[in-house]
Amino acid sequence: DSGVTQTPKHLITATGQRVTLRCSPRSGDLSVYWYQQSLDQGLQFLIQYYNGEERAKGNILERFSAQQFPDLHSELNLSSLELGDSALYFCASSVEAGGPGNTIYFGEGSWLTVV
Amino acid sequence: AQSVTQLDSHVSVSEGTPVLLRCNYSSSYSPSLFWYVQHPNKGLQLLLKYTSAATLVKGINGFEAEFKKSETSFHLTKPSAHMSDAAEYFCVVSDRWGFGNEKLTFGTGTRLTIIP
Repeated sequence: DSGVTQTPKHLITATGQRVTLRCSPRSGDLSVYWYQQSLDQGLQFLIQYYNGEERAKGNILERFSAQQFPDLHSELNLSSLELGDSALYFCASSVEAGGPGNTIYFGEGSWLTVV
Repeated sequence: AQSVTQLDSHVSVSEGTPVLLRCNYSSSYSPSLFWYVQHPNKGLQLLLKYTSAATLVKGINGFEAEFKKSETSFHLTKPSAHMSDAAEYFCVVSDRWGFGNEKLTFGTGTRLTIIP
């Protein structure tokens, strides 16, 4: 158990809908990351927050948004869902924002199926 | 941008025999490299990481990896495979700009099958 908690573990929703994935980082970690794992794209970085502030952005669609709250938990909002958004969404956390000493720990992921 | 290439999409070994999972990297500067493992229906677990200290890195569960700059390689090895090692393994490089952020770039993964 990495200490990173993600909810829900599984979610099935229809095209066009909106969902929110939630992540609680490890105790003491200030950085939160979101990654998407799909069959065709593999594992891709979406976005990073550090202590509430956006720090890096990857291949995140405009239909997707994220935020990190004052208690450091994070939410990933996915809207206008398409079939191709079906994937495993990972949250990860670390103490620091970056640097050689930074170690990133992953949660078990949220399975999203769009039908 | 940095990248990693995992040379084998699938590796099968017999239980008790050595494991070798190959990874080459591309980097314009001294990289941080990692191996993560993903068991079925589980999250990603960090096996080991290299951050420019010792070139031979020891990880959990008997795995180790050697950073070879001349060959731009970071192969993962284990002397004796166990059934519980069956999983997907990812070679990962870190992209960072100073200490302000970090982005991991994952390889395409190697599925390790252990034959009883």
